[in-house]
Parts: sequence; C-alpha cells; structure tokens
Amino acid sequence: GAVVSQHPSWVICKSGTSVKIECRSLDFQATTMFWYRQFPKQSLMLMATSNEGSKATYEQGVEKDKFLINHASLTLSTLTVTSAHPEDSSFYICSARGLRAAYNEQFFGPGTRLTVL
Amino acid sequence: GQQLNQSPQSMFIQEGEDVSMNCTSSSIFNTWLWYKQEPGEGPVLLIALYKAGELTSNGRLTAQFGITRKDSFLNISASIPSDVGIYFCAGFNSGNTPLVFGKGTRLSVIA
Repeated sequence: GAVVSQHPSWVICKSGTSVKIECRSLDFQATTMFWYRQFPKQSLMLMATSNEGSKATYEQGVEKDKFLINHASLTLSTLTVTSAHPEDSSFYICSARGLRAAYNEQFFGPGTRLTVL
Repeated sequence: GQQLNQSPQSMFIQEGEDVSMNCTSSSIFNTWLWYKQEPGEGPVLLIALYKAGELTSNGRLTAQFGITRKDSFLNISASIPSDVGIYFCAGFNSGNTPLVFGKGTRLSVIA
C-alpha cells in the first residue's frame, strides 16, 4: 500500500512550548489530509481536514489557534501544537487521501506520541 | 459526530478459527474501508470496497460491500496470533469528506 510518514514518532516537551509534527505522503499526491488524535482504547477523533493551499476545516471543539495546520503541498502537511499543556498529551495520527488507480484511498501515518510535562 | 455501528466490540478466539465482524450505517456510503491498528501504530488499510455487492479478498481476509450500501463485513479465515489488533470499519462518500469510523473490534487470538 501507499506510504504515509510522520515525524517525529514521539516527542516529549515542556509545558508552554510548541511542537511541530510533519506528515508526508511518500508515493502519491494527497488531495486531502486529515489530522486525528487518539486516546487509549478509543477510536480516532478527527481534529481537522485540510486541502492543499487552503485553510484547514476544524471540527467542533478543536481550537484552530492552538492546533495550527499547514498544507503547503500535495505531499506535506504539518500540525503545530502551540503552547502545549499536559492535557494535549495524546497520540496524533495524520492521514492522506488521494487517487490511486482511479479510486480514492486513504492511508494513515504511523502516529506521533506527544507527552507534555 | 456520526459513527458506524461495528460489532462485536471484542472477540477472543482460538488460533485457526475463522472470524467475522460487521458494520452497519443508517446512511449510504460509496466507499467502505477496513483497517487494522496495533498498539502504538497508525491504522493500516486492509481492504477497500467501492461498489455495492463487491466481494474482495486480501490473503486470508475477505470483505463485502453490502448491496444496500449501508453495511459491510470482514472475515478472517484460519486466524493466527499476528491477527491480534483492533479492526476498524470506515466509510466515506466523495471528495474530501472525512471518514466515518466504527468503534472498532478488538481481536485476541489464543494460541
């Protein structure tokens, strides 16, 4: 299947600092990228949807000024957690959707474990 | 938000047994996807279904897109220990609409 990479795979930071997570589609062009967070033993919770060159659409309850999303190209999206606090600690997963063999498919990155001290 | 009804929530089976799980929705989807997630990793796409009635296999996995476009099932034959994980169904319609997920089926395989 298609490969979506995320970097870093884990990060530990102090409260108040900002953290940037990169998501890349390695072998296909992603028309749309999605950002999720996941708490232990729960399903994925959609945070925002972004299309290349457009502003991200955030889900209700997700602060757009806290979770900055940039989708600069068809293969790269970044999520920046600004002024991180312990309650932002979570597993963040990006996902990329694109056309392959005329069908839309959606692939997930391996996730980034964020721990805020 | 909207969520698919996925069952069962969890399964404990003996190695070698077959497994079946399903998802239903109150609304129609044009695409159904099945993912497997292991601890500390992102979901991995197993099977994608695009046409009502479509039956697709991937090794020991078989999935079907219901004729009404409101349901799908996933079967795993002759389970092995590495099948352990959480299986999610997901649906979407077109363009950039987000996936709608089921709550997942947690599969445990007893050797």
